[in-house]
Amino acid sequence: GIQVEQSPPDLILQEGANSTLRCNFSDSVNNLQWFHQNPWGQLINLFYIPSGTKQNGRLSATTVATERYSLLYISSSQTTDSGVYFCAVDRGAQKLVFGQGTRLTINP
Amino acid sequence: EPEVTQTPSHQVTQMGQEVILRCVPISNHLYFYWYRQILGQKVEFLVSFYNNEISEKSEIFDDQFSVERPDGSNFTLKIRSTKLEDSAMYFCASSAWDRYEQYFGPGTRLTVT
Repeated sequence: GIQVEQSPPDLILQEGANSTLRCNFSDSVNNLQWFHQNPWGQLINLFYIPSGTKQNGRLSATTVATERYSLLYISSSQTTDSGVYFCAVDRGAQKLVFGQGTRLTINP
Repeated sequence: EPEVTQTPSHQVTQMGQEVILRCVPISNHLYFYWYRQILGQKVEFLVSFYNNEISEKSEIFDDQFSVERPDGSNFTLKIRSTKLEDSAMYFCASSAWDRYEQYFGPGTRLTVT
């Protein structure tokens, strides 16, 4: 099946810093989503981005489908951005395959 | 904005007991899913459901698991005889007929003692 790798596994930053999270996948996809898992365990939908670039406030994402990777950018980090960020992909089988996640810690 | 809801938020049960986790998907969605996440691990697909039948299931989804859409709004996951290793967060999700994006509920944390 399709493989999803996220890097880095852990990232510790000071408040105000910028960060880039990466997601590599092993095959073509129909769906790519980025999620933020908050401290209560909820999965917050950030982006649906099988290709192209999207922005939402301080967050933006880019997927280069031909090269099989996606990037999530967080600018001017806040402590509330802390948590685990997951990338998940689907080849059209109606089942998302998740990566292992990047644990982001933003220190005040 | 429409959202997926799940009940209960936390359930504690004893090993061997049956549990039913409930979900209300977004009203005009046609595809429904269950995922689980064991503490500290990644989220894993369990099953997808469309047109009142299972369309895809993972190896995890064995005979102890079943899904049902008992009416026009609810979608349930039943575990017949819970084991300690079933302790996890269970997420329900739904998607529309014309779009792959999946919308997730807040999850049910299941603790088996």
